Amino acid sequence: DAKTTQPPSMDCAEGRAANLPCNHSTISGNEYVYWYRQIHSQGPQYIIHGLKNNETNEMASLIITEDRKSSTLILPHATLRDTAVYYCIVRVSGNTGKLIFGQGTTLQVKP
Amino acid sequence: GAVVSQHPSRVICKSGTSVKIECRSLDFQATTMFWYRQFPKQSLMLMATSNEGSKATYEQGVEKDKFLINHASLTLSTLTVTSAHPEDSSFYICSATDWTQSYNEQFFGPGTRLTVL
Repeated sequence: DAKTTQPPSMDCAEGRAANLPCNHSTISGNEYVYWYRQIHSQGPQYIIHGLKNNETNEMASLIITEDRKSSTLILPHATLRDTAVYYCIVRVSGNTGKLIFGQGTTLQVKP
Repeated sequence: GAVVSQHPSRVICKSGTSVKIECRSLDFQATTMFWYRQFPKQSLMLMATSNEGSKATYEQGVEKDKFLINHASLTLSTLTVTSAHPEDSSFYICSATDWTQSYNEQFFGPGTRLTVL
């Protein structure tokens, strides 16, 4: 599975958009980009995933560059409850696609 | 999303005893379950992958005789930490997925905090 690079930490003001970047320059054509988050002392929570098109759901938007070497997770209106560690993971879809977690980005939403 | 539960949520045991942790998928059939371990201020580390009715596949460096995994049904997997020692104290998290579904995301349990005295 391809590796990802994320900034170790970011701050965001409450109510503003949080833009979390992820580099995955060695991603393969059949690998998806997944985003999970982990609030302190809880299990990870699925946020969104995509292959090459931009995706949006009730939680977030995922913007993937045309060359697929990087992506950005957007939380449109961050709240204090969005404070968490955000993990960007690339993996092959299907039963060989293990989730390998990197260090993630610790997002601190401040009032 | 689908719900995955773990039991117990936290356990304290004496060194040398064995501890069993259960992972259940409550509203879907989990063809595959994964077990992770997380030490303080560190990321999740995948320990093993188990498919229903098959032997678990362990990641490099994980002792299969120490961490016994059973996945006997489509809704239940268990992790038994045998002869636990203080260095096994950690946050153990399971996840479950159904590869027959098109989405095949992994859904995570809330985790089990193990403390070995």
